[in-house]
Amino acid sequence: SQTIHQWPATLVQPVGSPLSLECTVEGTSNPNLYWYRQAAGRGLQLLFYSVGIGQISSEVPQNLSASRPQDRQFILSSKKLLLSDSGFYLCAWSGQTNQPQHFGDGTRLSIL
Amino acid sequence: DAKTTQPPSMDCAEGRAANLPCNHSTISGNEYVYWYRQIHSQGPQYIIHGLKNNETNEMASLIITEDRKSSTLILPHATLRDTAVYYCIAQTGANNLFFGTGTRLTVIP
Repeated sequence: SQTIHQWPATLVQPVGSPLSLECTVEGTSNPNLYWYRQAAGRGLQLLFYSVGIGQISSEVPQNLSASRPQDRQFILSSKKLLLSDSGFYLCAWSGQTNQPQHFGDGTRLSIL
Repeated sequence: DAKTTQPPSMDCAEGRAANLPCNHSTISGNEYVYWYRQIHSQGPQYIIHGLKNNETNEMASLIITEDRKSSTLILPHATLRDTAVYYCIAQTGANNLFFGTGTRLTVIP
């Protein structure tokens, strides 16, 4: 069966520091991969999605970036974090068109 | 993508069926209806999805009206662990799921 792993579960970072969140999927090949952010009490906002290695689509302008160095690895990064980057970050995967997305357990990021 | 409307909150007695409604009156013919739920501090969990026909799996049943303008998610025997926010999404494909505010279901002992 397929599994998705995200780490770390929680992270506290100072303003201006770099960020790297990693997500890996097991048990499937060539998945679509997604990064979402959820602000407190709000819905999910799609940040990036990828349909293949090296292929990244950005949905919202921001100081975050994403990379997909391997088929089942998706990384969310920032060179300098802002206070507004705080939130709950979720990685998800899906098969092809019209297949549901499956989410990881998320990373709760607090910026101080 | 079609806008969905859900009641903000519902209560259900433990062991009874929970029926969660969703209106998607502007849904187009190729848009699927997806249901997810999110338990506090966890990632959303996929429940079920459908296009035209009613669907059933081990978690729930999805009833879609014949005109496809509304649907109902049914949890046949609600347990305390079903307390969560339930999201109904009508969307073409699954590349960008718009999670609105959903329905907060509270299962009462």
